[in-house]
Amino acid sequence: GAGVSQSPRYKVAKRGQDVALRCDPISGHVSLFWYQQALGQGPEFLTYFQNEAQLDKSGLPSDRFFAERPEGSVSTLKIQRTQQEDSAVYLCASSPRTGLSRTEAFFGQGTRLTVV
Amino acid sequence: QQQVKQSPQSLIVQKGGISIINCAYENTAFDYFPWYQQFPGKGPALLIAIRPDVSEKKEGRFTISFNKSAKQFSLHIMDSQPGDSATYFCAARPRRGSQGNLIFGKGTKLSVKP
Repeated sequence: GAGVSQSPRYKVAKRGQDVALRCDPISGHVSLFWYQQALGQGPEFLTYFQNEAQLDKSGLPSDRFFAERPEGSVSTLKIQRTQQEDSAVYLCASSPRTGLSRTEAFFGQGTRLTVV
Repeated sequence: QQQVKQSPQSLIVQKGGISIINCAYENTAFDYFPWYQQFPGKGPALLIAIRPDVSEKKEGRFTISFNKSAKQFSLHIMDSQPGDSATYFCAARPRRGSQGNLIFGKGTKLSVKP
């Protein structure tokens, strides 16, 4: 596809359940970002990959959150033992370049996670 | 600590009017200031962006004004249309040497009345 694809679009999880959210970035994009967007708020940075390397995970709210991008393309955000405060839209973005060359990030439509 | 403050929270403008959204930042270590437009159920999409060495950038009906000394920047939408109704986010990116994540404002919900 032409854009960033995220699946599932919607996920309902029972409190304590583990979930995995998938992101397919634009082909060839080096940088990949995960953001969390609470209802009525701006996106908040979670983590950043440059190819397969996770270079910044400073935004992950707890050790229940884990992200990987093993082959430098598809990425998975995993949340263990979900809590109600994890309910949010999880956005993935990719960018064609990295390092000193700044360029725009293209966002996917997000996965809306509801923890009940 | 909120590093990018955005106002107003919501805005109602008549068709043909000018929409103005303001942002202020606290950290001087930013070098790129994009504005994103988000429709319900969609991800944010880049609208226009500016670097701090430029005071104004115009693309079609959209203009960013940047005041480096005041650490403020604003988005002006000229001849606002109902199709512009969306939530707008300003953002700031840390300068080179950082990993380049975006720090977003809380958003402005714009409604353009026909």
